[in-house]
Amino acid sequence: AQSVSQHNHHVILSEAASLELGCNYSYGGTVNLFWYVQYPGQHLQLLLKYFSGDPLVKGIKGFEAEFIKSKFSFNLRKPSVQWSDTAEYFCAVNARDTGNQFYFGTGTSLTVIP
Amino acid sequence: EPEVTQTPSHQVTQMGQEVILRCVPISNHLYFYWYRQILGQKVEFLVSFYNNEISEKSEIFDDQFSVERPDGSNFTLKIRSTKLEDSAMYFCASSGPGGRDQPQHFGDGTRLSIL
Repeated sequence: AQSVSQHNHHVILSEAASLELGCNYSYGGTVNLFWYVQYPGQHLQLLLKYFSGDPLVKGIKGFEAEFIKSKFSFNLRKPSVQWSDTAEYFCAVNARDTGNQFYFGTGTSLTVIP
Repeated sequence: EPEVTQTPSHQVTQMGQEVILRCVPISNHLYFYWYRQILGQKVEFLVSFYNNEISEKSEIFDDQFSVERPDGSNFTLKIRSTKLEDSAMYFCASSGPGGRDQPQHFGDGTRLSIL
C-alpha cells in the first residue's frame, strides 16, 4: 500500500524566513501529488497539485513544490513566510492506476512568529 | 467558489447509538469521499462513491459504516452502534469528472464525539 511521510511535525519560523516542508511517498507507479493546507478552524484547502509536466509547481499564496521522481519527494517551499501562513500542511498522494483515494501524510504544523 | 458543506459541525452521541453525518458535495461533481481524522493523527480514507455505488473502501470501513446518496444532492455517512474510538473529525470530499485526475474538495468536517 502507498504511504506518505512528512518528516517535520512542527515547524516554527519568524516572518520572512524561508520554508521547506518535506514529503516523501512510497509507490513505484505514476502518482498525482497534492499539498493541502488547513487553517485553524477551517477545512482542508488545496494549495497546489502535480499531475504531469514541469516538476516545479506553483500554487496559491506564493507556495511552490518540486516533484523529484528519483527521490519520491514532493517538498513544499515558500521563500518568505507570513504570520497568516500559520496552519497545518498536509501532503497527499493518489496513485493513478489503483484508484481515487488519497493517502495523506501526518501533517506539519507551521507556526509563524510575527 | 462552490464548496462542499457538511452538517452538523459537531455531533455528540452516546456510545451504541447510530449517527448520520451529512454532506452536500459540489453540484457537478461525480465522485464522493469520506475521510476521518482522529485527534493528533493523519487524515485516513474511509470510502469513495461513484455512480451510486461504493468504488473503494478501506479496512476502517467495516459493517458498522454505510454510505448513501439518498437524493441528487446529499451524501451521507451512517455509523451504527458507535464506539468510543469513532470519535474523530469526519471530512467529506468530492471531485469532478475525471476522478483521480481531479483534486478533491473538502468540507469543513463534522466533529463526532462519542460519550
